[in-house]
Amino acid sequence: AQTVTQSQPEMSVQEAETVTLSCTYDTSESNYYLFWYKQPPSRQMILVIRQEAYKQQNATENRFSVNFQKAAKSFSLKISDSQLGDTAMYFCAFMKSGGSNYKLTFGKGTLLTVNP
Amino acid sequence: GAVVSQHPSRVICKSGTSVKIECRSLDFQATTMFWYRQFPKKSLMLMATSNEGSKATYEQGVEKDKFLINHASLTLSTLTVTSAHPEDSSFYICSASGVYGYTFGSGTRLTVV
Repeated sequence: AQTVTQSQPEMSVQEAETVTLSCTYDTSESNYYLFWYKQPPSRQMILVIRQEAYKQQNATENRFSVNFQKAAKSFSLKISDSQLGDTAMYFCAFMKSGGSNYKLTFGKGTLLTVNP
Repeated sequence: GAVVSQHPSRVICKSGTSVKIECRSLDFQATTMFWYRQFPKKSLMLMATSNEGSKATYEQGVEKDKFLINHASLTLSTLTVTSAHPEDSSFYICSASGVYGYTFGSGTRLTVV
């Protein structure tokens, strides 16, 4: 069974600054995907970024980037130039690859507040 | 992009009645849909996985007879909360698996009074 751990229940950052959210996971799978999802106050789950485990290059989406350390089973999310709209709950998630019906395993989430 | 429509967004029902929540994939076929429950400021808890045309697979501890899931077509899955009680009040979210990956519905806030 897979586990995903987010050790920071809450974090805050000043607008325009950079913040890093931590995520570690445990699995015996060799092929898998890792995700960061954002859930703003509207509660709509939004995919922020996705990383395939076989890719060594860290994924990047505009102001969002990850630091994927496969050996350490670490998958942190860096948000640059933080904006007020980044205020949300952030969930790290794991999914093994190879099928369309594999479930996502979520961490407990980190509540990020961006202060003006 | 993929869109999943979930209805209703909010529902209030009386204790003892049943409530049906719909989850539709609008522009893609979803062979697999997932139903989650989320408590305030908590993570998503997977309740069940539904595959089109077959019985849903429930997670341990989820009552099959209380949370009925039907996935009769490639674009529609429904969750029916039967004989609802106040403790069933929660936020329910569906997710559909397609070629774009996993897409989530906007959620349903259920309040049982």
